[in-house]
Amino acid sequence: AQTVTQSQPEMSVQEAETVTLSCTYDTSESDYYLFWYKQPPSRQMILVIRQEAYKQQNATENRFSVNFQKAAKSFSLKISDSQLGDAAMYFCAGGTSYGKLTFGQGTILTVHP
Amino acid sequence: EADIYQTPRYLVIGTGKKITLECSQTMGHDKMYWYQQDPGMELHLIHYSYGVNSTEKGDLSSESTVSRIRTEHFPLTLESARPSHTSQYLCASAPGGASRRATQYFGPGTRLLVL
Repeated sequence: AQTVTQSQPEMSVQEAETVTLSCTYDTSESDYYLFWYKQPPSRQMILVIRQEAYKQQNATENRFSVNFQKAAKSFSLKISDSQLGDAAMYFCAGGTSYGKLTFGQGTILTVHP
Repeated sequence: EADIYQTPRYLVIGTGKKITLECSQTMGHDKMYWYQQDPGMELHLIHYSYGVNSTEKGDLSSESTVSRIRTEHFPLTLESARPSHTSQYLCASAPGGASRRATQYFGPGTRLLVL
């Protein structure tokens, strides 16, 4: 079983600045994956970044990077050079290769011009 | 990336009506999922399938049913809609191979309002 917790209901950032969204998880699985998804007002879930638990190197996708602390069961998302289009609800999720995902409660990110 | 389609995008219907929400994907993904999401809230898994003729109930109890007769198609049916079914329903799919496994790709969702 997995649990995923996002303790920040809302976050805000100035355009061009950096923001970090927090996520903690708990799992009994040895082979698992962690994800950040973005849900803009259009409500379609978009994959932002993924991390395989067996990889020590933190995943990076352009302006998005993660800080994966396996021992602390922490998986935070850093957004650099924030843009207005980054405004959305961000969900942290955990899953196994069998495919079921568990989602956190979500963090609403506001980007101020 | 997967191409996943959901129809209708919006549905307003009266209590007691039977409805079917359609979900199709064109990538040949073995795994498909249905989630329910109330506005501003987290997603809850209500049904999933690992292949043709395979369906399982998810973590959140739902009065809906699903079928998987074809790989690309995973419809969700409510026999008798009620106001408590008002929500957004998201469909997702994932490949069954080792490459990029576990990554789910989502459709645009169906927003259901039952009056």
